Amino acid sequence: IAGITQAPTSQILAAGRRMTLRCTQDMRHNAMYWYRQDLGLGLRLIHYSNTAGTTGKGEVPDGYSVSRANTDDFPLTLASAVPSQTSVYFCASSDSGTDTQYFGPGTRLTVL
Amino acid sequence: GQNIDQPTEMTATEGAIVQINCTYQTSGFNGLFWYQQHAGEAPTFLSYNVLDGLEEKGRFSSFLSRSKGYSYLLLKELQMKDSASYLCAVRDQDYQLIWGAGTKLIIKP
Repeated sequence: IAGITQAPTSQILAAGRRMTLRCTQDMRHNAMYWYRQDLGLGLRLIHYSNTAGTTGKGEVPDGYSVSRANTDDFPLTLASAVPSQTSVYFCASSDSGTDTQYFGPGTRLTVL
Repeated sequence: GQNIDQPTEMTATEGAIVQINCTYQTSGFNGLFWYQQHAGEAPTFLSYNVLDGLEEKGRFSSFLSRSKGYSYLLLKELQMKDSASYLCAVRDQDYQLIWGAGTKLIIKP
């Protein structure tokens, strides 16, 4: 692994289903982030973690949850997916909360 | 509220120079970033400005005026591979990144 990986690459999901998007980084970065990107809008922060064991809410956290059990992994869970959660989801990491963020390849999620 | 404005789309010719502007109104300022994003790919870091002035990195330069809430990204000697979206982001007083919607740059031969 080099950098940040995300899985799955894409997913079609029925509304009401539970889904976990995976994110793993091997750069030993302390901070990690989840964004969603929708056409015509800027990246919007969903949740973040400044260090293992801590998480925080971003601009659009409703309907999403995260955990940070260790430095490398930062999964994002949709407890009960809704069509408005159709989006491209990017995971990012940085050495600290004040450093440059580096992005994973993204997960394209469609909720029907 | 917090706001980042950049043009939706720009067109330029291969070999030419293009300037992509970004204006911002945010709660505090702790630096401005430019990222490049090719279609279907992740954003990749281009430049960072925290002090006023011009930062040059090869064919790309970025300028910042904090008093005017203004930045631009200058791309010289345009190549077809520069066709991408360019994202402006400002780090606010809470060190969160506020993102513009991006400028889609189309390069014509």
